[in-house]
Amino acid sequence: AQSVAQPEDQVNVAEGNPLTVKCTYSVSGNPYLFWYVQYPNRGLQFLLKYITGDNLVKGSYGFEAEFNKSQTSFHLKKPSALVSDSALYFCAVRDPWVTGGGNKLTFGTGTQLKVEL
Amino acid sequence: EPEVTQTPSHQVTQMGQEVILRCVPISNHLYFYWYRQILGQKVEFLVSFYNNEISEKSEIFDDQFSVERPDGSNFTLKIRSTKLEDSAMYFCASSGGDTSNQPQHFGDGTRLSIL
Repeated sequence: AQSVAQPEDQVNVAEGNPLTVKCTYSVSGNPYLFWYVQYPNRGLQFLLKYITGDNLVKGSYGFEAEFNKSQTSFHLKKPSALVSDSALYFCAVRDPWVTGGGNKLTFGTGTQLKVEL
Repeated sequence: EPEVTQTPSHQVTQMGQEVILRCVPISNHLYFYWYRQILGQKVEFLVSFYNNEISEKSEIFDDQFSVERPDGSNFTLKIRSTKLEDSAMYFCASSGGDTSNQPQHFGDGTRLSIL
């Protein structure tokens, strides 16, 4: 079964500093990995994905994520945080080797990012 | 940018009543999904729908739940006889293309409150 772990409930960072939000995954084969952001009273907004190829993927709003197969991780990063980045971040995984073809995403529990002045 | 839209934004229903949550996916998308998020918990997959049939469903999606695409634009989730534990935020999503690596795009959700 596919699963995702986000070990930190909350991450605090000062504006202008780099940020990292951690994610580790478990799947039977090569994963499809996604990051989403959720602002209050809104749906999940797609940030970036890793399917294959370059381990460093770039996404919206200056975010990037690094796929590390040996550590089964897909940490979200940004070189310089903004107060407006404060939101709830979800990592998600899809195991393309699972039969059924339903494209089910399995989400982590979410990490609240708080960027302060 | 095209969006997934959901109505209503908030639904309050008495326990035991039927409720229908409505979604308009992005127009050229082929795959449709429902997820739910109980307050303070993680987002959970309910069901996926492709080519006018359910392609995958979770253990949560029991006989009380059904989905339908009644026309070319709407995608609905029906809960036949609501229970208190059905109270949650329900998200509709859609994805395009003929490969499974396309990102799913989510609506803003319907908050379902069962009294």
